Amino acid sequence: DAGVIQSPRHEVTEMGQEVTLRCKPISGHDYLFWYRQTMMRGLELLIYFNNNVPIDDSGMPEDRFSAKMPNASFSTLKIQPSEPRDSAVYFCASSPDRQREYEQYFGPGTRLTVT
Amino acid sequence: LAKTTQPISMDSYEGQEVNITCSHNNIATNDYITWYQQFPSQGPRFIIQGYKTKVTNEVASLFIPADRKSSTLSLPRVSLSDTAVYYCLVVSLGGADGLTFGKGTHLIIQP
Repeated sequence: DAGVIQSPRHEVTEMGQEVTLRCKPISGHDYLFWYRQTMMRGLELLIYFNNNVPIDDSGMPEDRFSAKMPNASFSTLKIQPSEPRDSAVYFCASSPDRQREYEQYFGPGTRLTVT
Repeated sequence: LAKTTQPISMDSYEGQEVNITCSHNNIATNDYITWYQQFPSQGPRFIIQGYKTKVTNEVASLFIPADRKSSTLSLPRVSLSDTAVYYCLVVSLGGADGLTFGKGTHLIIQP
């Protein structure tokens, strides 16, 4: 398996623009997670899905952030409009099932820079 | 979720055994201890998970005393490539709700 795939790997955009980050989880995994990492705040959970259904989005910073999982092999995280404080590395992760929810496989991340 | 405390940083040398201790005084009965490793510019990687006593895999060993209020990740014969941030997490099985990462321990291995 290729592991968790994220695109793009790097994104530079101007404040106010819409940004869409993409993730393909490992095939057969029931859970998908979106995290954000910054030097100041470390790794933060934004939202997670179970069988394509959003379970907990309490970590999503504000209404500018939205996430979808239209099917088991694809998820998006959208920021509209983007702001400089959104600059961070965004990770997508997936895990096999409820009993192994702690065993998460992370993608390489998308480094987002908002100028 | 139980709070974890681990050293901010550690130094060691190639070939040495490195032990990173994590305290989790408020761990609950259905909580497990999990460790992740993160290299620069990469996502975290699951290393090992345990409930009590000792767990060993090809990467590391995890020692958990009977009271489970602490745990020690042991890396045998480290190399320069083991330089990374190591995170200790307490996870409730069946209700993990995502992982809560702390600051982690920045391990630096010198030649």
